Amino acid sequence: KQEVTQIPAALSVPEGENLVLNCSFTDSAIYNLQWFRQDPGKGLTSLLLIQSSQREQTSGRLNASLDKSSGRSTLYIAASQPGDSATYLCAVTKGAQKLVFGQGTRLTINP
Amino acid sequence: NAGVTQTPKFRVLKTGQSMTLLCAQDMNHEYMYWYRQDPGMGLRLIHYSVGEGTTAKGEVPDGYNVSRLKKQNFLLGLESAAPSQTSVYFCASGHGNTEAFFGQGTRLTVV
Repeated sequence: KQEVTQIPAALSVPEGENLVLNCSFTDSAIYNLQWFRQDPGKGLTSLLLIQSSQREQTSGRLNASLDKSSGRSTLYIAASQPGDSATYLCAVTKGAQKLVFGQGTRLTINP
Repeated sequence: NAGVTQTPKFRVLKTGQSMTLLCAQDMNHEYMYWYRQDPGMGLRLIHYSVGEGTTAKGEVPDGYNVSRLKKQNFLLGLESAAPSQTSVYFCASGHGNTEAFFGQGTRLTVV
């Protein structure tokens, strides 16, 4: 059974810092990995999708990497802003594109 | 472009009552999913569909039924609600090996 772990569970950093969120998964036979953002009381917003054949994807200040063989992904956020405060979730897919989620990292950016 | 729309957004049920949650997507996606999100448990897959007229069980299907009579709609039914079904329910859709898009969620309380 695929298990996805996100460490740390919570992270608080001052504004302007660069930071890394971690995601690990137990079964490396995945189709893709997706990073989401969830604001309190809201739905999930897709940030980046990395196909299993790719090593990284970038969108603005966000960069996600994937090392499928070691079962790891990282989400790098450059020059963090208070508006980046949210819960970040990673999810992997395999078989009918069913997403298996980690528990998330709750990020707080302090002004 | 509405994306994925869930109705209702909030609902309170008494134990034993029934209800149906509606998910509608306007992106012509083949795949649709129902998840529940609980504190400490993360997002768990209830049921999913890989196309019109098809449904399949996910990780936590007991107590729920689904139907996909039209490609754009995926209905989640609770026949006899229980307090353990108090949760936030999310619908998602996608084409397959591409981004998954989520609705804003339905917050259900069973008393």
